[in-house]
Amino acid sequence: AQTVTQSQPEMSVQEAETVTLSCTYDTSESNYYLFWYKQPPSRQMILVIRQEAYKQQNATENRFSVNFQKAAKSFSLKISDSQLGDTAMYFCAFIISSGAGSYQLTFGKGTKLSVIP
Amino acid sequence: DTAVSQTPKYLVTQMGNDKSIKCEQNLGHDTMYWYKQDSKKFLKIMFSYNNKELIINETVPNRFSPKSPDKAHLNLHINSLELGDSAVYFCASSPFPPNYGYTFGSGTRLTVV
Repeated sequence: AQTVTQSQPEMSVQEAETVTLSCTYDTSESNYYLFWYKQPPSRQMILVIRQEAYKQQNATENRFSVNFQKAAKSFSLKISDSQLGDTAMYFCAFIISSGAGSYQLTFGKGTKLSVIP
Repeated sequence: DTAVSQTPKYLVTQMGNDKSIKCEQNLGHDTMYWYKQDSKKFLKIMFSYNNKELIINETVPNRFSPKSPDKAHLNLHINSLELGDSAVYFCASSPFPPNYGYTFGSGTRLTVV
C-alpha cells in the first residue's frame, strides 16, 4: 500500500523568512509523480508544485521549490520569502504512473502553516 | 469560468434525510473523483469514474452512491444521512492518466444535525 507521512502537524514562520515542510512516502513502484497542494482557509485545493520521480532535477515554481530525494523517499517543500497569503494547510501527495492503485492521488495528513506578520 | 464546480457549497440537513451533491467539470477531462475530508483535514478517496465507468470504489457505506450521467458530471447521492457523514466533500477531475494531478472543486461542507 502507498502511504504519505507529514511529520509536522503545525508550523509557523515569520513573514519574508524561509520555511521547509517535510514529507516522506512509501511505495514499491519506481515511477510516480509527487505533488504539493495548498488549502487556504477558503477551502480550495490548489496545486503548488509537481515533481516527476524519474527526473533528478528538483522542481521550482517561483518562491516554491522541492528537495526530492528518491532513495530516501523524501519530498520536502521549501517556501522562500514567506507571505501572509501562504498561510494554509499543505498536503503532500503522489500518484503511481503505472496505474497501480488505479491512479489514486494519495495524500498525507497535512501541515498547517501560519505566516506571522 | 469555474473549471470544476460543485453545488451546493454548504448543506445542512437532519439525520435520516437523503441528499445529493452535484459536480460538473468543463475541462474535457476523462476522469472524475469524490474525496471526503474529515474534521482532522484528512483527505480520502471515495470513488473514481473514468469515462462514466467506475474504477475506484473505496470502502464506503452503501448509503453513498455515485452517478455519472456523462464524463463531465459526477454526482454523489447519500441516503439516510448520519451524524458521522458530516465532512467536506470534494469533487475533482483529471485527464487520464492523471500525471499532472487533479483539479479540485471548492468543496461542499455537509453538516448533519
